Amino acid sequence: KAGVTQTPRYLIKTRGQQVTLSCSPISGHRSVSWYQQTPGQGLQFLFEYFSETQRNKGNFPGRFSGRQFSNSRSEMNVSTLELGDSALYLCASSGGTPDVDGYTFGSGTRLTVV
Amino acid sequence: AQSVTQLDSHVSVSEGTPVLLRCNYSSSYSPSLFWYVQHPNKGLQLLLKYTSAATLVKGINGFEAEFKKSETSFHLTKPSAHMSDAAEYFCVVSSWGYQKVTFGTGTKLQVIP
Repeated sequence: KAGVTQTPRYLIKTRGQQVTLSCSPISGHRSVSWYQQTPGQGLQFLFEYFSETQRNKGNFPGRFSGRQFSNSRSEMNVSTLELGDSALYLCASSGGTPDVDGYTFGSGTRLTVV
Repeated sequence: AQSVTQLDSHVSVSEGTPVLLRCNYSSSYSPSLFWYVQHPNKGLQLLLKYTSAATLVKGINGFEAEFKKSETSFHLTKPSAHMSDAAEYFCVVSSWGYQKVTFGTGTKLQVIP
């Protein structure tokens, strides 16, 4: 079966712009989580959506937001981009209980803010 | 509350020698534990998971891990390293019903030919 698909793979944006990243989970998975990965901070949890509702949220500013659609696809939006937002953004899907089943990750979107 | 500590940020082994990546955890409830691997510029791949069944867990690519409650450890091992094992490895803990997982800071494994 198809894996987790993230688009685009690479993105270059200018400081102050906004960006939207997309994630299509594995068919049948209803939980989608987003992570930011940087060399300095490692993997940081952004938020998790389950059945179109945000179920958990990390400690990121309100510039970071997300949503999930009825087909479980998810988008993440970052407004007013800062240089420090440059990172690999990873999406992970799960059947609904990631604390038991674990995640399947996408290959990520590499965002560079200049 | 839960936390996970990966005791080594970098591990270097020679090809064909054993691999040991160390992970200690803390959890207020019965934990689930996972190991993930990340190759450069790739997403994370699930290697193995422990969810209160057998304490010795076998994963993909010859890796295994042993859950030791008394030591609060979940170390990852492999009898013989292969060049393709060079990657970053993440230990992850979650608590039943908590619906959140906590990632360790990662261990970069270098395999020397």
